Order: sequence, then C-alpha cells, then structure tokens
Amino acid sequence: DAMVIQNPRYQVTQFGKPVTLSCSQTLNHNVMYWYQQKSSQAPKLLFHYYDKDFNNEADTPDNFQSRRPNTSFCFLDIRSPGLGDAAMYLCATSRQSGLVGETQYFGPGTRLLVL
Amino acid sequence: AQSVTQLDSQVPVFEEAPVELRCNYSSSVSVYLFWYVQYPNQGLQLLLKYLSGSTLVKGINGFEAEFNKSQTSFHLRKPSVHISDTAEYFCAVSLNTNAGKSTFGDGTTLTVKP
Repeated sequence: DAMVIQNPRYQVTQFGKPVTLSCSQTLNHNVMYWYQQKSSQAPKLLFHYYDKDFNNEADTPDNFQSRRPNTSFCFLDIRSPGLGDAAMYLCATSRQSGLVGETQYFGPGTRLLVL
Repeated sequence: AQSVTQLDSQVPVFEEAPVELRCNYSSSVSVYLFWYVQYPNQGLQLLLKYLSGSTLVKGINGFEAEFNKSQTSFHLRKPSVHISDTAEYFCAVSLNTNAGKSTFGDGTTLTVKP
C-alpha cells in the first residue's frame, strides 16, 4: 500500500551524463514536489507542480528540469550532473496547494551519486 | 522571508529518558509549524503540525509539541524515548500566504542509547 514511490532508490551516474529520477503516487494528489537534500542538511525545495502548472523556485539551477505527464507520475531530470548534485532527492505530494498547512507525504527518496 | 532554527544539531539521550528538541522560527506573518522525522535512508514522515487552536499539539509515536508565539518557538518533546526513536528530526514552517511550501530547519539528530 505504498503511497509515494520513488525509483530507483539508489542511482549512480557519471559527471555530465543526464539522469532521470522518477516518482509516482497512488494518492491522486494534485500537488507534487521535488526536494534536494544534501548530507546533514535540510531538504531544499526545487520545484512543484500544482496539477499541470509548474512552479520553479527562484534559486533552482537550470540544470534541473521536471516533467509531469499525468497525475500519478513526476520526473526529475538533471541535464548535466555535477559532483555537487550528489544528494538525496525527495518527492512529496499534497492534496491541494490552495490550502495552507497541507500535509505533505514523502517518498523514500533516491540517493544520487555522481562519479 | 521566514526562517527556522533548530538549536541542537545532535541530541544524545538514554533510553526511557525524556527529550526536548528545540525549534525557533522567525516570520513577519502568521505561520504553520510542522515536525517531521526521517529514519536512515527514508523519506520524511509527519509527526505533528500546528495550524491553529490549542497550542499543545499531540502527534504520533508519543511526541508532542507546544507552540509559543511570544517566544516564536515550537519545541518537540517526548517523556520517555525508545531506541527506535533514533532518527533525524526536522522542524518546518509554512506561511499562511504560501500554501503548500515549507521551509525546513537543518535537522536534529536524536540518538537514543541503551
């Protein structure tokens, strides 16, 4: 009965080689988020989708892109990964973005290693 | 802009002892406050949240937190911890004008020793 699923759990890529991380949800939530969490640091919001509307954080590098082909799936594309992009990437969902204090449901994360 | 400060990066404690994890926030507008727990190599799980009403909030796993507006704090407490409570704990704040987006503190590592 997994609710937010992230694949793979661990991903190794080479410096500069594009990589895609995936997230799916069975909650039918409108909003999906991508966070980057570096070691011993707080999760940092990269962007979120409210339905099909994409919302990028101002300080998210252009190297990071996202796609949401349908309600259930959301992808994080890193076009040219650098060593500094090694981190845990967390996907989360919430029912609606219009309600403050909404609970976010997190997936287990994908740990990305860049060689 | 809002910010969250978790005052202790590491908290070691013995099993069955009480624990308090401290969180302070700053914001010029009303906020909503959350505590999340993250077990090793897992995502974040909501422990509890304060939106309005009673300032004492009870969450899962026996945790509770108290919202103190005058001190801009939202400290997390548990009267008796277990080994299984060993994890990273994050305090987060969401503005009432910023639906769905939270700013996280840097986390506190709680280590429960036998």
